[in-house]
Amino acid sequence: KNQVEQSPQSLIILEGKNCTLQCNYTVSPFSNLRWYKQDTGRGPVSLTIMTFSENTKSNGRYTATLDADTKQSSLHITASQLSDSASYICVVSARTSGTYKYIFGTGTRLKVLA
Amino acid sequence: SQTIHQWPATLVQPVGSPLSLECTVEGTSNPNLYWYRQAAGRGLQLLFYSVGIGQISSEVPQNLSASRPQDRQFILSSKKLLLSDSGFYLCAWSVSGRRNTEAFFGQGTRLTVV
Repeated sequence: KNQVEQSPQSLIILEGKNCTLQCNYTVSPFSNLRWYKQDTGRGPVSLTIMTFSENTKSNGRYTATLDADTKQSSLHITASQLSDSASYICVVSARTSGTYKYIFGTGTRLKVLA
Repeated sequence: SQTIHQWPATLVQPVGSPLSLECTVEGTSNPNLYWYRQAAGRGLQLLFYSVGIGQISSEVPQNLSASRPQDRQFILSSKKLLLSDSGFYLCAWSVSGRRNTEAFFGQGTRLTVV
């Protein structure tokens, strides 16, 4: 069964601190992995995408890693800001029945405090 | 540029009433279209996806149905709403046939069934 699991479920950190979010997946056939940021009551917005051959991808203060062998990914946020407060969702894409489907994790809810 | 419109933003409906949520995409042709539901504290669950006009695939058995009467229009419907239909509904689109395409999300509809 295709599944994406994220940890922790929620996280509270102080402004300026770093944090790392985890994502484990059992999706086949694997196409790519994305991290999305979802503000409360809004649609998710893509942060990074990684294919099978990519290990690391950065987008400003966001750095994602991918270990395709262990089927694990992480999202590291450096020097957190109040605006980083949101849910971060790991999404794995798989090609099935001729189209690409997106399997979503349940997300990590991050709260950054001043 | 491509845009996705989803409406209404919020909706309160009584149990047993019908539902119609509409989603339209501009600036692209023959997109893959998706309807997701996000229950409180849960991840996004794929409800329906469509690779073309009149082509609808359902991921989970449910009280809802979807239709694609035009290339860039995707409608989520129900004849009789249940309390369990409450949730945050998101429409999304992606470029068909491309491996690493991103899913672009609408702003979502918060549905409360009372």
